[in-house]
Amino acid sequence: GESVGLHLPTLSVQEGDNSIINCAYSNSASDYFIWYKQESGKGPQFIIDIRSNMDKRQGQRVTVLLNKTVKHLSLQIAATQPGDSAVYFCAENWGSGGSNYKLTFGKGTLLTVNP
Amino acid sequence: DVKVTQSSRYLVKRTGEKVFLECVQDMDHENMFWYRQDPGLGLRLIYFSYDVKMKEKGDIPEGYSVSREKKERFSLILESASTNQTSMYLCASSPMARQETQYFGPGTRLLVL
Repeated sequence: GESVGLHLPTLSVQEGDNSIINCAYSNSASDYFIWYKQESGKGPQFIIDIRSNMDKRQGQRVTVLLNKTVKHLSLQIAATQPGDSAVYFCAENWGSGGSNYKLTFGKGTLLTVNP
Repeated sequence: DVKVTQSSRYLVKRTGEKVFLECVQDMDHENMFWYRQDPGLGLRLIYFSYDVKMKEKGDIPEGYSVSREKKERFSLILESASTNQTSMYLCASSPMARQETQYFGPGTRLLVL
């Protein structure tokens, strides 16, 4: 979920387990969503995206699920590895006139993978 | 692969100094963005450029200006740095056909003393 204040929600998993990271988005008109991974001291890295005409999209070891009814997005990581440890955050976009470049970002979830 | 590079990973400046942060992308993207990232506040858009010499204010443009003289390069300028501009600065780019799909650089961590 989203963070409040300075402390990010944290998810701790064992290596090899599956991880599920959740995101509640704000705008029912949003029609495009991205998941980013940000390792400590680095810039956000694009993982996967999904448009609102889909409810599921799969990548390599990752799956994004979209539930528009409850405005909820999730990122599933299969067989989580230590290299997956990072902050993950979602971003939403709603195209409206000349502002369809704008992304609204969530605060993120810290994923820690224990060996 | 999309490559967005930023001129410095770390910078330390003094209050009142003029600061230039440079960003270069090699994918011929039309759009370029500058964000700052602060704990608890997430990413906030400072400025956006959709073409050479074109710019639009983002959500927090105060205290900043930008320059886009070439398509591949987008500069963020702090005219007179202040301590509240200590932050992580992130540059991103996206193609015109998919403006919303933004790719980020590694970031510049700026400390203003």
